[in-house]
Amino acid sequence: DAGITQSPRYKITETGRQVTLMCHQTWSHSYMFWYRQDLGHGLRLIYYSAAADITDKGEVPDGYVVSRSKTENFPLTLESATRSQTSVYFCASTWDRTSYEQYFGPGTRLTVT
Amino acid sequence: GDSVTQMEGPVTLSEEAFLTINCTYTATGYPSLFWYVQYPGEGLQLLLKATKADDKGSNKGFEATYRKETTSFHLEKGSVQVSDSAVYFCALPGMDSSYKLIFGSGTRLLVRP
Repeated sequence: DAGITQSPRYKITETGRQVTLMCHQTWSHSYMFWYRQDLGHGLRLIYYSAAADITDKGEVPDGYVVSRSKTENFPLTLESATRSQTSVYFCASTWDRTSYEQYFGPGTRLTVT
Repeated sequence: GDSVTQMEGPVTLSEEAFLTINCTYTATGYPSLFWYVQYPGEGLQLLLKATKADDKGSNKGFEATYRKETTSFHLEKGSVQVSDSAVYFCALPGMDSSYKLIFGSGTRLLVRP
């Protein structure tokens, strides 16, 4: 499918488990982002990437790890899930970061019990 | 730091009613301003933007005018449809190396037939 996809769409996991959220885009966009969406907070940036093998922390990176070995993929890993990481996670990409026109995936709703 | 404030929702309207969703911002200088929309089950998508003061962004019948005097970017539509039911986010650029977007908390719109 063309565009930006995320998997899984829904995930329930237990506290302390490792979980990986996948993000895949077909446009070969250089720039990719992970945001989390929490009630009353809008979206907040977790990590971003300017290209393959180049990643950096955003506003709320603690407890998360990212990698980007291929341009099209940008997985987000929760190393040891906590209840505070219950959220909706959005991946986004853009070809021109200075335009701020970002293309978002459909999101992953993660519940940590 | 820079921030965006949106009116609390949900906003419930009847079909063909006039819509206003308020957005005010705090920023250094005069950044571009954006409205993103999130339809049920989907990711965010850009609805409209304005790149400088007094600009009017428009798309799909929605309009927003960049008013620097009141630091506002209110979203309006003259006649809403059921299909406009969604969550609307006001946003501005985060002026750092991440090129993130800073989002408001979102306003849910429900249009009844």
